[in-house]
Amino acid sequence: GAGVSQSPSNKVTEKGKDVELRCDPISGHTALYWYRQSLGQGLEFLIYFQGNSAPDKSGLPSDRFSAERTGGSVSTLTIQRTQQEDSAVYLCASSPRRTGKTGELFFGEGSRLTVL
Amino acid sequence: AQSVTQLGSHVSVSEGALVLLRCNYSSSVPPYLFWYVQYPNQGLQLLLKYTSAATLVKGINGFEAEFKKSETSFHLTKPSAHMSDAAEYFCAVSPYSSASKIIFGSGTRLSIRP
Repeated sequence: GAGVSQSPSNKVTEKGKDVELRCDPISGHTALYWYRQSLGQGLEFLIYFQGNSAPDKSGLPSDRFSAERTGGSVSTLTIQRTQQEDSAVYLCASSPRRTGKTGELFFGEGSRLTVL
Repeated sequence: AQSVTQLGSHVSVSEGALVLLRCNYSSSVPPYLFWYVQYPNQGLQLLLKYTSAATLVKGINGFEAEFKKSETSFHLTKPSAHMSDAAEYFCAVSPYSSASKIIFGSGTRLSIRP
């Protein structure tokens, strides 16, 4: 497809289980972001990948959260031992170049995570 | 470090009235500034961006924003609201001196009264 693709679109899991969320960015986009959108909380930055540079992980809320980007394309966000406060919509976005120079992020439709 | 403050989590205006959504930023270096919009059940999309060229920036659907360095503001306006403008609006900031993360505000939900 032409846009950013995220899967699954919805995930319901039990507290304590691990989950993986996948993001397929637009082909050729070198920058990839993960954000978390909680009700009334806006968009919370989680992690940023730019090309082959070391990712900016400064937004990850705890060591239960991790992300990787293989081959400069697909990214997976992993949440270990999920907690109820992890329930949110996880958004992925990609950008064609160094984001500070272009400014436009292309967002996927998100993965809604519900932790019971 | 940079941050964004959006004043008012919910703004309601009548159809045809002026829309004003407020955004103030904090940045230790000259910033890029953005407004994104999220329509109901849709993903976020870029509405407009300031990249140090013109201080008055025009975006899609009749929206515009003015960069005011002295006030550290980047408020979003539209002269006449339309029902289709009902959405969540997010202001965002990024330093343009280097590639870096974009930080978003908490969002403002715009409602339009008939």
